[in-house]
Amino acid sequence: AQSVSQHNHHVILSEAASLELGCNYSYGGTVNLFWYVQYPGQHLQLLLKYFSGDPLVKGIKGFEAEFIKSKFSFNLRKPSVQWSDTAEYFCAVLSGSARQLTFGSGTQLTVLP
Amino acid sequence: DGGITQSPKYLFRKEGQNVTLSCEQNLNHDAMYWYRQDPGQGLRLIYYSQIVNDFQKGDIAEGYSVSREKKESFPLTVTSAQKNPTAFYLCASSIEGRKTQYFGPGTRLLVL
Repeated sequence: AQSVSQHNHHVILSEAASLELGCNYSYGGTVNLFWYVQYPGQHLQLLLKYFSGDPLVKGIKGFEAEFIKSKFSFNLRKPSVQWSDTAEYFCAVLSGSARQLTFGSGTQLTVLP
Repeated sequence: DGGITQSPKYLFRKEGQNVTLSCEQNLNHDAMYWYRQDPGQGLRLIYYSQIVNDFQKGDIAEGYSVSREKKESFPLTVTSAQKNPTAFYLCASSIEGRKTQYFGPGTRLLVL
């Protein structure tokens, strides 16, 4: 069975710091990759996704992620975080013929003003 | 306004009681999903449905049941067999099985 690992459970940064959240998955074939964000009290929202093509994907609010097939990774980055980025971030993978997403355990990001 | 609605926002269950969580979408999506979210565990799939009158078990289906009589509706019943039902339940939908999923606001289930 496929699995998704998010190694950072809680990250605390000051405003303007750079962010990188790790995501690794176990499946070796074709994958569709997603990052979702859950702001306090709000819906789970799609931040960005990768299906094919350019492995550097840009999403909303200045976030980007890079798909590195050889490392089975899809890390999320942002050059300069804001207090409003405080949220929980989930990586998810749709692999092969699977019709279901597998989610990582989530990373809580706290940005200090 | 297009989207996914879930009701109620909070639901209380008594010992031995079955409760039903509602999920409705007006996005004309074929596929619908139910997830359970527990702290530190991410989201785990309970059931999903690709088309009307058909649904499949996910990773943690025991103690839950679903129906898909209409394209826009996918209610989840938490039965008395689910011994640890306290969680945040999220419904999602997608155009088809391998496309991006969009999520509703969730229902928080608490046990009295």
